[in-house]
Amino acid sequence: AQSVSQHNHHVILSEAASLELGCNYSYGGTVNLFWYVQYPGQHLQLLLKYFSGDPLVKGIKGFEAEFIKSKFSFNLRKPSVQWSDTAEYFCAVSVSGGYNKLIFGAGTRLAVHP
Amino acid sequence: NAGVMQNPRHLVRRRGQEARLRCSPMKGHSHVYWYRQLPEEGLKFMVYLQKENIIDESGMPKERFSAEFPKEGPSILRIQQVVRGDSAAYFCASSPPDTVGTQYFGPGTRLLVL
Repeated sequence: AQSVSQHNHHVILSEAASLELGCNYSYGGTVNLFWYVQYPGQHLQLLLKYFSGDPLVKGIKGFEAEFIKSKFSFNLRKPSVQWSDTAEYFCAVSVSGGYNKLIFGAGTRLAVHP
Repeated sequence: NAGVMQNPRHLVRRRGQEARLRCSPMKGHSHVYWYRQLPEEGLKFMVYLQKENIIDESGMPKERFSAEFPKEGPSILRIQQVVRGDSAAYFCASSPPDTVGTQYFGPGTRLLVL
């Protein structure tokens, strides 16, 4: 069965620090990859997605992620975080050609201190 | 274009009662997904529906849970005889009618079983 692993459950950073959140998945076939963000009290919003093509994808609010197929990874990065990035971040995968159901990681809670 | 709508946002039930959660997908979206988020966990897929059809219910508990997406009206997730362990946030997502669609999430319904 497919699974998604997010290495860090809680991350605390100061403003302007760089961010990298790890995400690994287990599935031998072709996948679609997503990062969603959930700000406090709000619903999940799509940050970025990868279906095919350039493995370096850029999303909203200065986030980017790189798909490394050989490592089954899709890490999220941002060069300089802001206080407003405080949120919970979820990595998710779906199987290409399947029913598009998303398999989520457990999430990473990011707290950014001013 | 209104987003995915869910109601109620908060629902309190006593053990043994029924809970009905509603989801109206985005305009033009014919695919609906339900996910459950238990405290301190990521979202778990429950069921995938298209109009009048259940496509994949592999994540649904075998008893007490049912879902429908009628030709007219919202999708309904129904939980009969609720127990304390059903307390969770239930999220609905919708996607357009293509095979590689991004899912757009609603704000969720937070169910508390007393």
